[in-house]
Amino acid sequence: AQSVTQPDIHITVSEGASLELRCNYSYGATPYLFWYVQSPGQGLQLLLKYFSGDTLVQGIKGFEAEFKRSQSSFNLRKPSVHWSDAAEYFCAVGASGSNDYKLSFGAGTTVTVRA
Amino acid sequence: KAGVTQTPRYLIKTRGQQVTLSCSPISGHRSVSWYQQTPGQGLQFLFEYFSETQRNKGNFPGRFSGRQFSNSRSEMNVSTLELGDSALYLCASSQTGDMGGYTFGSGTRLTVV
Repeated sequence: AQSVTQPDIHITVSEGASLELRCNYSYGATPYLFWYVQSPGQGLQLLLKYFSGDTLVQGIKGFEAEFKRSQSSFNLRKPSVHWSDAAEYFCAVGASGSNDYKLSFGAGTTVTVRA
Repeated sequence: KAGVTQTPRYLIKTRGQQVTLSCSPISGHRSVSWYQQTPGQGLQFLFEYFSETQRNKGNFPGRFSGRQFSNSRSEMNVSTLELGDSALYLCASSQTGDMGGYTFGSGTRLTVV
């Protein structure tokens, strides 16, 4: 079964500074990987996804993520954070080539942006 | 186009009662999934439906059930509510169950007292 670990529960970053959120996954084959963002009281918005191909994935809102098979990681980055990026971020993995149609989520990382 | 619509947005129920939550997917989407989000357990998969058939079910007790109608709208039902069922219930829809194409609704916040 697939699983995801997000080692950082909470990160505080200054506006304009860079941001990196860590994600490690466990899955036997090549996984489908996702990053979602959730604002308070809202649902999940997809930032980006990786299925195959280029390991550097560009997403919305200036985010990017890099798939590293050797490290079983899919870290999310943003070069310059805006106050509106304060939210909770979830990494998720899906089982490629399977028929289970479900995502397994990490525990989430809360990002606080200070002025 | 309209997004995924979940109703109601907020709900307060008493222990022992039952509750039904509704999810209207994006037009043309035939796959609907449900997730439970709690502070302690995080986001957990409940079940997925496609063309009125449940294709997968998460590790939840039988009190949790769901169904999908011919117009792809889905409902989930929780019977004999427990305090621990208090959560944000999220619905996601997709055209075919392609995980990359899932769009989430804003959720239904259920509080059990």
